[in-house]
Amino acid sequence: QVQLVQSGAEVKKPGASVKVSCKASGYTFTSYYMHWVRQAPGQGLEWMGRINPNSGSTTYTQRFQGRVTMTRDTSTRTVYMELSSLRTEDTAVYYCASFCGGDCPRIWGQGTMVTVSS
Amino acid sequence: QSALTQPASVSGSPGQSITLSCTGTSSDVGAYDYVSWYQQHPGKAPKFMIYDVTNRPSGVSNRFSGSKSGNTASLTISGLQAEDEGNYYCSSYTTSSTWVFGGGTKLTVL
Repeated sequence: QVQLVQSGAEVKKPGASVKVSCKASGYTFTSYYMHWVRQAPGQGLEWMGRINPNSGSTTYTQRFQGRVTMTRDTSTRTVYMELSSLRTEDTAVYYCASFCGGDCPRIWGQGTMVTVSS
Repeated sequence: QSALTQPASVSGSPGQSITLSCTGTSSDVGAYDYVSWYQQHPGKAPKFMIYDVTNRPSGVSNRFSGSKSGNTASLTISGLQAEDEGNYYCSSYTTSSTWVFGGGTKLTVL
């Protein structure tokens, strides 16, 4: 079964960092990009960046450059998204997702709620 | 990269057809046939409805169809049903090798 399973909810203080994991199963993990998308409460979807699980190369949207780091562990088929210097505005559901132009698995993780509050 | 432009809300009656629009630029929607549409219900993860402008994933009703003209993509839902109510988002690949989403459209079935 093709699926992405994310880690559980997190509560962090402003200035801290959070690391969310996303474990893939049911397809060839290293063959397809993994993306991270976030959704603030009551807001739309926002693409944060992607990682090539094979090479580890990353592309981040400018808004998160310098604060986000995406990594992967091929032995456990897991990708990670770490966001640093958290602000209250970073409170959101963070999703991992597989999608592309062309042929690839098109699936979303269940989402991870990250709450930033003092 | 600015978000793609979607109308904030659209409504229709059961059985009607409605079309949602998604307007970008020549650097995203107009550059590639890599536009996707997602349906999202409250508290749930998005669900793929259309990918690569016109393709439906397995299991998605053929009442959903996609198209594109220039810098604007469209999602048409025919035979509107109560279960179609929700938020719809579009996304596109860009010439900067990034992806961008639209702001979303809230569909209400009257």
